[in-house]
Amino acid sequence: EIVMTQSPATLSVSPGERATLSCRASQSINRDLAWYQQKPGQPPRLLLYGASTRATGVPARFSGSGSGTEFTLTISSLQSEDFAVYYCQQYDTWPPLTFGGGTKVEIK
Amino acid sequence: EVQLVESGGSVVRPGGSLRLSCAASGFSLDDYGMTWVRQAPGKGLEWVSGINWNGGSTGYADSVKGRFTVSRDNAKNSLYLQMNSLRAEDTAFYYCARDLRGGGWYLYFGLWGRGTLVTVSS
Repeated sequence: EIVMTQSPATLSVSPGERATLSCRASQSINRDLAWYQQKPGQPPRLLLYGASTRATGVPARFSGSGSGTEFTLTISSLQSEDFAVYYCQQYDTWPPLTFGGGTKVEIK
Repeated sequence: EVQLVESGGSVVRPGGSLRLSCAASGFSLDDYGMTWVRQAPGKGLEWVSGINWNGGSTGYADSVKGRFTVSRDNAKNSLYLQMNSLRAEDTAFYYCARDLRGGGWYLYFGLWGRGTLVTVSS
């Protein structure tokens, strides 16, 4: 099973600032990585797949990078609606598909 | 409207069974791979099971293998999860989710239902 590790667990950021979230895979997953955003009481929302391709309707302030075992989600200028929990998910090797433990982005 | 709606969640005793359903509307389910993901209250996401477009291929998390069975009825535009031998640790919101695109099995999910709560407790 591929273990996905996200850091930090919590990120405190002021509105307008840049946020950088990390996701590490226990073995190479090429670029087979998706990022999701989840707000309280809502299902997850797909942001990125293929490590860096934005899903339809996702603002350009969200960007992804990385390959192999190290990945980054960057939110260039945090808006109020971006405060949420973010999960990475690998789909390179399965079953099982695996998610990271999540990073909570909170208001500083 | 394109949506997924889960149903069937309830309180069940340890060792009991439950069948979850996921009804698709606004699109034809038979073009898409589908999956079940669960989330214990206040916890992270855990993939449970997936099924390809025609049900010919399935996959399970080790934690549910041999106890849960995923199936689909494309004629009814529905996905199912049969859950047997339920344990307290199966308590969670269960989401069904659809592959982002049809025509293959992509394993990243662009459409999610709002979830149904399964509580396993005596």
